[in-house]
Amino acid sequence: DTGVSQDPRHKITKRGQNVTFRCDPISEHNRLYWYRQTLGQGPEFLTYFQNEAQLEKSRLLSDRFSAERPKGSFSTLEIQRTEQGDSAMYLCASSRDRLWYGYTFGSGTRLTVV
Amino acid sequence: QKEVEQNSGPLSVPEGAIASLNCTYSDRVSQSFFWYRQYSGKSPELIMSIYSNGDKEDGRFTAQLNKASQYVSLLIRDSQPSDSATYLCAVNSYPYGDKLIFGTGTRLQVFP
Repeated sequence: DTGVSQDPRHKITKRGQNVTFRCDPISEHNRLYWYRQTLGQGPEFLTYFQNEAQLEKSRLLSDRFSAERPKGSFSTLEIQRTEQGDSAMYLCASSRDRLWYGYTFGSGTRLTVV
Repeated sequence: QKEVEQNSGPLSVPEGAIASLNCTYSDRVSQSFFWYRQYSGKSPELIMSIYSNGDKEDGRFTAQLNKASQYVSLLIRDSQPSDSATYLCAVNSYPYGDKLIFGTGTRLQVFP
């Protein structure tokens, strides 16, 4: 069990640029979740996958956001035309099929849009 | 959409005291509940889960669940300065999707 891995750890980008984040879940976990967290707030759900199927997307996930999980392994989250309001910590988590055991989170990607 | 509410704190307790953290949730059908600890600048770490009414103990931590009153709490005995962190309560959204809904967290400060 090598844990959930996220890359990069930090990203600074100019407003209007596109960014992509990667998440590698724990190998035996079928589910993969993306959350966003801003200062003083709890994690907010963005989307989740069971294997390669994207089963739910939050209304927070505007058209500028897209997530993929090809072949049910790693996942990418892309933000197009970034805005200053996108500055946040983006957290990836994985879990087994049943959400009985909670998530394991990765270390997160901190995005700063300048 | 389910809601999870926590007092943002900070909750300040002296070293060695019991820290009591509370959480209420809005949906009666919620089935599983979790407490996460988050140190400043780090990601959340799962410390406790509870599914049935009553108490569940793990070392210095005790989770308490009361489904009739829709609250879940976390007690930390013999609090240490290293327990200073934000504690996040999370509730499974099932049957409205299958994900965790988090509260805003309670910041705990343990002073020597």
